[in-house]
Amino acid sequence: KQEVTQIPAALSVPEGENLVLNCSFTDSAIYNLQWFRQDPGKGLTSLLLIQSSQREQTSGRLNASLDKSSGRSTLYIAASQPGDSATYLCAVTPDSNYQLIWGAGTKLIIKP
Amino acid sequence: DTEVTQTPKHLVMGMTNKKSLKCEQHMGHRAMYWYKQKAKKPPELMFVYSYEKLSINESVPSRFSPECPNSSLLNLHLHALQPEDSALYLCASSHPGGVADTQYFGPGTRLTVL
Repeated sequence: KQEVTQIPAALSVPEGENLVLNCSFTDSAIYNLQWFRQDPGKGLTSLLLIQSSQREQTSGRLNASLDKSSGRSTLYIAASQPGDSATYLCAVTPDSNYQLIWGAGTKLIIKP
Repeated sequence: DTEVTQTPKHLVMGMTNKKSLKCEQHMGHRAMYWYKQKAKKPPELMFVYSYEKLSINESVPSRFSPECPNSSLLNLHLHALQPEDSALYLCASSHPGGVADTQYFGPGTRLTVL
């Protein structure tokens, strides 16, 4: 059974720092992996999607990597800003039936 | 238009009420989803519609009744809910099984059952 773990559960860093959020999964047979952002009480915004054949994806200050063999993904945020404060969730699609398996999320606080 | 809209934003209902949640997208997606999210937890999948047909029902109680009247619209009918059903209800859509199958989420309906 696929399980997704995110470490740390919470992270607080000063503004301007570069940071890394981690996501691990137990079964390497995945279709894709997605990173989402959720602001308190709000819906989810898809940040990056990495197909199983890809190693990384970039969008602005965000870079997500995928290492299927080790069951790991990282989300790198460069030059963090207070507006980046949110909960970040990763989710994997174990096969092509589009059911997402979610991590519990990392709550990120960027201090001004 | 990459937006999924949900109405209402907030809903308070009693245990004897009947209400409906509405979700709409105009991205041409043919897969639509209902999720339930409790505080500080990831979303839990409830239902999946693919080409307007119910393809997945994750053992959801019958007091939740989904409906997909057309390819752009998804409803969730609520009846005789319990206080523990209070949560954020999220709708999402995607291309079913395509390469670019990111799920796009709506802002959610915050439901409170008294």
